[in-house]
Amino acid sequence: SQQGEEDPQALSIQEGENATMNCSYKTSINNLQWYRQNSGRGLVHLILIRSNEREKHSGRLRVTLDTSKKSSSLLITASRAADTASYFCAPLNTNAGKSTFGDGTTLTVKP
Amino acid sequence: DGGITQSPKYLFRKEGQNVTLSCEQNLNHDAMYWYRQDPGQGLRLIYYSQIVNDFQKGDIAEGYSVSREKKESFPLTVTSAQKNPTAFYLCASSPCIVDCEAFFGQGTRLTVV
Repeated sequence: SQQGEEDPQALSIQEGENATMNCSYKTSINNLQWYRQNSGRGLVHLILIRSNEREKHSGRLRVTLDTSKKSSSLLITASRAADTASYFCAPLNTNAGKSTFGDGTTLTVKP
Repeated sequence: DGGITQSPKYLFRKEGQNVTLSCEQNLNHDAMYWYRQDPGQGLRLIYYSQIVNDFQKGDIAEGYSVSREKKESFPLTVTSAQKNPTAFYLCASSPCIVDCEAFFGQGTRLTVV
């Protein structure tokens, strides 16, 4: 199965700073999605980027995709304490029919 | 309200008992998924279903069973064959397999006592 691996495992920053998380994967993909999980809750979809796209924005989120390096990054600008959560990437190869998740990056934003 | 509902939120089970976790969605989604999450770790796929009356094993299906008799329902049974069932279980649904986001329930925390 296609699995994303997030890096770093944990990230701690001050409110107002930017946070960057990375995702690497091993095989070719059709798209890659980022999700957020607050402690003890379900996942919430943040953004989907297709394999023919290089960058996508949504509010304070910026996602990049480099298919030659098999990597993606999620940038959260001007972070807030409410951004404290775990962030997961989910690469999808349609031949596999499903994507799986890595262990995520745990982001802590200190007020 | 449209959404995906898991119940119960907390579940306690004695060793050797089977237990069924409920997952219902009123989003008219074809695809549904069950994941297991252990503390500090990511999600591991247990079973998934792309259409009614059909389902496929995920990466850790042993000790679990599912059914998909109705489009809106995808219950997961944790059997006594699952040696370490204590975990957080998440159900998700999606309108399609390609280029679609998944919508997650709020999870069921299962504890074996």
